[in-house]
Amino acid sequence: DSGVTQTPKHLITATGQRVTLRCSPRSGDLSVYWYQQSLDQGLQFLIQYYNGEERAKGNILERFSAQQFPDLHSELNLSSLELGDSALYFCASSFTFGQVFFGEGSWLTVV
Amino acid sequence: GENVEQHPSTLSVQEGDSAVIKCTYSDSASNYFPWYKQELGKRPQLIIDIRSNVGEKKDQRIAVTLNKTAKHFSLHITETQPEDSAVYFCAASMRLQGGSEKLVFGKGTKLTVNP
Repeated sequence: DSGVTQTPKHLITATGQRVTLRCSPRSGDLSVYWYQQSLDQGLQFLIQYYNGEERAKGNILERFSAQQFPDLHSELNLSSLELGDSALYFCASSFTFGQVFFGEGSWLTVV
Repeated sequence: GENVEQHPSTLSVQEGDSAVIKCTYSDSASNYFPWYKQELGKRPQLIIDIRSNVGEKKDQRIAVTLNKTAKHFSLHITETQPEDSAVYFCAASMRLQGGSEKLVFGKGTKLTVNP
């Protein structure tokens, strides 16, 4: 158990819909990262937050947005979903920067 | 630019043999290099990491070496076992504006250890 908690574990939704993925970082960690992993693909960096502020953006679509709240948990919002958005979405956290620990992921299936 | 190249993409070895996975990075400012193991459908797990002030680090059957001049680092697994079968990802730190950093991952190596 990495200490990073993600919900939901599995989600099936229809095209055009909107979903929210939630992440609680390890206790004491200030940085939260979101990654997308499609089938047989690597880890695509989406976005990073540090202590509530956006720090870096990767290959995140305009239909996607995220935020980190004062209690440091983070949410990734995916809207106008397409079939190609089906993937495993990982949240990861670290104290400042250094060892990064991943959650179990949220499996999103868009049908 | 940000780029981490990882080779090979697939690797098959016999149980007991050694496995070596190599990565190269492009950002000369990178100073942190972790390796992750990901089993099918599971989260990537940090297995070993190395910082730029160290040339080699070992933890039981796994070791990582770093050549900063050449900008490449490698994962070595000795006495491989079937449970070592997984996808392995290397990563390198990349400094961002404002002092933050992010990890840039290689595309992964699927290691299969045959009994």
